[in-house]
Order: sequence, then C-alpha cells, then structure tokens
Amino acid sequence: IMLTQSPATLSVTPGESISLSCRASQSISTNLHWYQQKPNESPRVLIKYASQSISGIPSRFSGSGSGTDFTLNINRVEPEDFSVYYCQQSNSWPLTFGSGTKLEIK
Amino acid sequence: QVTLKESGPGILQPSQTLSLTCSFSGFLLSASSVGVGWIRQPSGKGLEWLATIGWEDVKHYNPSLKSRLTISKDTSNNQVFLKITSVDTADTGTYYCAHSEDYSDYFDYWGQGVMVTVSS
Repeated sequence: IMLTQSPATLSVTPGESISLSCRASQSISTNLHWYQQKPNESPRVLIKYASQSISGIPSRFSGSGSGTDFTLNINRVEPEDFSVYYCQQSNSWPLTFGSGTKLEIK
Repeated sequence: QVTLKESGPGILQPSQTLSLTCSFSGFLLSASSVGVGWIRQPSGKGLEWLATIGWEDVKHYNPSLKSRLTISKDTSNNQVFLKITSVDTADTGTYYCAHSEDYSDYFDYWGQGVMVTVSS
C-alpha cells in the first residue's frame, strides 16, 4: 500500500493552523498513524489509528480520516513543531510509510 | 520504562553482511502480541520498514529486501537481531529498532538509531 503525503514542504508562520495530507493507494480503514521527526532525533508517534491521541502529545495535534484520505491537523503551530511528519499504515503487510512533509518556518 | 538501543559495525564494505543488534528493556518479547521492528532511513530521506518479529517468532519482511534480510531474537537476553546480506552503498543510513504493542501495529518506542556506512 502506497502512502502519498502532501505537500512535500509547507512553509508557515508560528501561530498558524495547518493540515497535512496522507492518501493511501487503497482503503486502510483507520489503520493510519502519524509521526514527527526532528533533526537528528528518532521519530515519535503523534496520533494512532487516524484520530486517537497519544499520551504526552500536545492537544494541538489531531488527526482525522478513514479509508484512503487522512489529515494531520496542528492548531496554532509552535516553534518546536517545525520538523518532518510521516504517516504509516498498519492495515496490511508490508508496513509502509509516506515520504514525509517538511514543516518549515516562513 | 521501555528503552531500545541499536548497535552495529559502523562501517563495512560492499558485498559484506551487516549485523545489527537491538537491546531492549521494559518489556518482554515473549509477551502476547508484542513486536520489535527494524526501520531504516538513508541520510536526508524518508523511513523504510524492513522487518518485524513477534512474540511467537512470527516474522514479516519487506518484500523489496526479503531475500537479503534475516530477523531473529534472543528472548532470554532481550535482544533482536537483523542481518542484511550483500550490502551496497544504497544500504547506508540510520537503522532504528522500535517496539509495537501489537506486532503488526504502529511503533510507540524507538531506539536512538545506529548509523551504518557502506563504503569501499
């Protein structure tokens, strides 16, 4: 299952609210997870099963979607949010990741 | 507290076999449904899942590399291993091991990663 993330790069000003997209090549129900990766760090999971929150992750991060179209929302981007975001599907083997969206400061 | 740490050779030559070790604590790989996976990342590029091993020694591999991969575990010593045969420069990158509560699931804990360089 291929995951297509868009845009590849998003330039925003801190305080803006944004949406990142992840589209699956076939239906994956809600078996879609979002990660954040900061430079020189390991990825960390932000959202599981499309919309379920993860303990310790700020509430400004939220997810939605099912089937083939998914969205990661960040309400009022903070300076520490500028990093790369990946989606990953666990609906079927092989597990796959999207190519990532880089969130950069405008 | 779940922790994972990868170790590897650092640098190796083309055609050699890459051997990686993931040493973990805070969970038992013998516990029902738990899994440990390997994911790699070429410098400046995205994430690629390689393989996962589960609690009953169930194994899954990325088909694009399956013929070159072998994942195994030592439950008593809390370690998972990954071997990649016939490496070339395209295998250069950072290799992560990660924990999943359900072995076919998302990865909730990650190691710090180990850098591997394939060069002649």
